[in-house]
Amino acid sequence: TQLLEQSPQFLSIQEGENLTVYCNSSSVFSSLQWYRQEPGEGPVLLVTVVTGGEVKKLKRLTFQFGDARKDSSLHITAAQTGDTGLYLCAGAGREDSSYKLIFGSGTRLLVRP
Amino acid sequence: DTEVTQTPKHLVMGMTNKKSLKCEQHMGHRAMYWYKQKAKKPPELMFVYSYEKLSINESVPSRFSPECPNSSLLNLHLHALQPEDSALYLCASSQGAAVYPTNEKLFFGSGTQLSVL
Repeated sequence: TQLLEQSPQFLSIQEGENLTVYCNSSSVFSSLQWYRQEPGEGPVLLVTVVTGGEVKKLKRLTFQFGDARKDSSLHITAAQTGDTGLYLCAGAGREDSSYKLIFGSGTRLLVRP
Repeated sequence: DTEVTQTPKHLVMGMTNKKSLKCEQHMGHRAMYWYKQKAKKPPELMFVYSYEKLSINESVPSRFSPECPNSSLLNLHLHALQPEDSALYLCASSQGAAVYPTNEKLFFGSGTQLSVL
């Protein structure tokens, strides 16, 4: 079974601070996605990384895919209260003869004003 | 239209009730999914339909019965649920058929918050 562990599980920071969320696995994934979910809503895709070592930027968010395609990180610069939410990484891989998206354990981020 | 619409938004049901959750998308997507999400946990895959055929059933109890009447609609029929089935039920769709190494973008609905009393 492929597992994705995220750390930290919960993060509470002041507006303006920087933070990094990690997504780690012992398995190789063909791609890795990052989603943000706000309370009462479904997850919304932020980015997909496909190539080992790939770095993608989305405004203040920087995503990196590990060289071996087993891990990823999300770095937020100068966090804003609107960044509050549940951040989920999701890896595309093969399990039980089926290709599927496997979600990580999640990181709950609270940005305080 | 880039939305996945789920109804109802909230549902309270007793353990002897029969109810259905509905999901609709008009993006021409060929794969549709049901996920279950408990509070403060990640979504867990329940079912995947590809081209209107059930392609993945994650050993979900038979009290949950999915149905895909056409390429735009996905239902989840509920019968004799238990209190531990209370959760947010999310529907999603993707353009591809979800049978290859998938880099597909999933579009999620807002979910149905289900409470079983």
